[in-house]
Amino acid sequence: NAGVTQTPKFQVLKTGQSMTLQCAQDMNHNSMYWYRQDPGMGLRLIYYSASEGTTDKGEVPNGYNVSRLNKREFSLRLESAAPSQTSVYFCASTGVSGNTIYFGEGSWLTVV
Amino acid sequence: AQSVAQPEDQVNVAEGNPLTVKCTYSVSGNPYLFWYVQYPNRGLQFLLKYITGDNLVKGSYGFEAEFNKSQTSFHLKKPSALVSDSALYFCAVGNMRFGAGTRLTVKP
Repeated sequence: NAGVTQTPKFQVLKTGQSMTLQCAQDMNHNSMYWYRQDPGMGLRLIYYSASEGTTDKGEVPNGYNVSRLNKREFSLRLESAAPSQTSVYFCASTGVSGNTIYFGEGSWLTVV
Repeated sequence: AQSVAQPEDQVNVAEGNPLTVKCTYSVSGNPYLFWYVQYPNRGLQFLLKYITGDNLVKGSYGFEAEFNKSQTSFHLKKPSALVSDSALYFCAVGNMRFGAGTRLTVKP
């Protein structure tokens, strides 16, 4: 059972470069999320997609864009990476409201 | 807006002692509340949730949480801590907003 799969696991970027984090879930979930985790800050919601075809901003959307490609896939794009975006990124998904949220294993991104 | 707060960055307990990790919430209406655990270099794993019903919720690995509406709290508890319980614990509210996390360290 794959659950939530995100790639890449590790990435080093130079300031100004762009990249896309990929996420896919095989649980037929409607809702998908992108979080970043920083020491002492917990998990902060970047963007979410309540259903296929919709995306909404979370707490910290600046510097990011997302695409809900289909029901399975939800990608996060950094158009011009900045050192402040050095973080661990988690993709997650859930079914109907009130259900458990399932997380990917994380993507460690360093911007130098 | 829905939010949760975890007032303690760090909790230290001795193995075999009871543990409590605190969480308070701010929600209009009836809350959906969750606890998750994160081990080093891993994603978060579900422990338990409160949707409705009994105020004492039992979850994985012997953990339980008590929903207290008057105190707007949802504290995580375990009667007897294990060294292997050492991890980062997150409280979350139904719109998938998470607290800052509490690092639990259980010492032998």
